[in-house]
Amino acid sequence: DAKTTQPTSMDCAEGRAANLPCNHSTISGNEYVYWYRQIHSQGPQYIIHGLKNNETNEMASLIITEDRKSSTLILPHATLRDTAVYYCIVRLGGGTYKYIFGTGTRLKVLA
Amino acid sequence: DTEVTQTPKHLVMGMTNKKSLKCEQHMGHRAMYWYKQKAKKPPELMFVYSYEKLSINESVPSRFSPECPNSSLLNLHLHALQPEDSALYLCASSPGRILQGKGTEAFFGQGTRLTVV
Repeated sequence: DAKTTQPTSMDCAEGRAANLPCNHSTISGNEYVYWYRQIHSQGPQYIIHGLKNNETNEMASLIITEDRKSSTLILPHATLRDTAVYYCIVRLGGGTYKYIFGTGTRLKVLA
Repeated sequence: DTEVTQTPKHLVMGMTNKKSLKCEQHMGHRAMYWYKQKAKKPPELMFVYSYEKLSINESVPSRFSPECPNSSLLNLHLHALQPEDSALYLCASSPGRILQGKGTEAFFGQGTRLTVV
């Protein structure tokens, strides 16, 4: 079973920050949180990942709570091209290399 | 080069046909994956290869047969499929080792859209 819970859908105005939440209450100490997005049946695209510290790259920021039970992906200035399904994934450890997708959040950026 | 290349992009096959999906990466990754994705659903993990050996089979029916001929190539052989096997089949790769202090992101191909008639 997927170990993450995300809202089914969200809307965001173009130019505004999009904040996508994810719950992963059963996360283990050595498991990373990854975010991917999928634009209209293309292959999933990597966005960002983290363990316990907040992370930022050219695409987004990742905020992980201190207890690591939830995280938020932030797209600082959403554009229409950011309309996609966003998946929060907890990467199962132990060398199994499993990336298990949850149901994801369908983000629609509105003009 | 962070590209995972899948061929063909589209495939239509009959239930008695035998076909193969191909996946290739040249990033030196040692873990490769097959996923199946039905419309409006998340990708579902099928198989994981680690250092050219099958390490995970998520109880996939035997009509799907994976093969990893070398560290750059991954095949999925299809035989006697059913119409409900129609889906987008995604291949992915990742470095395949635990890096101290960092995770290891997977890169996905654009998929093969399979239709079984």
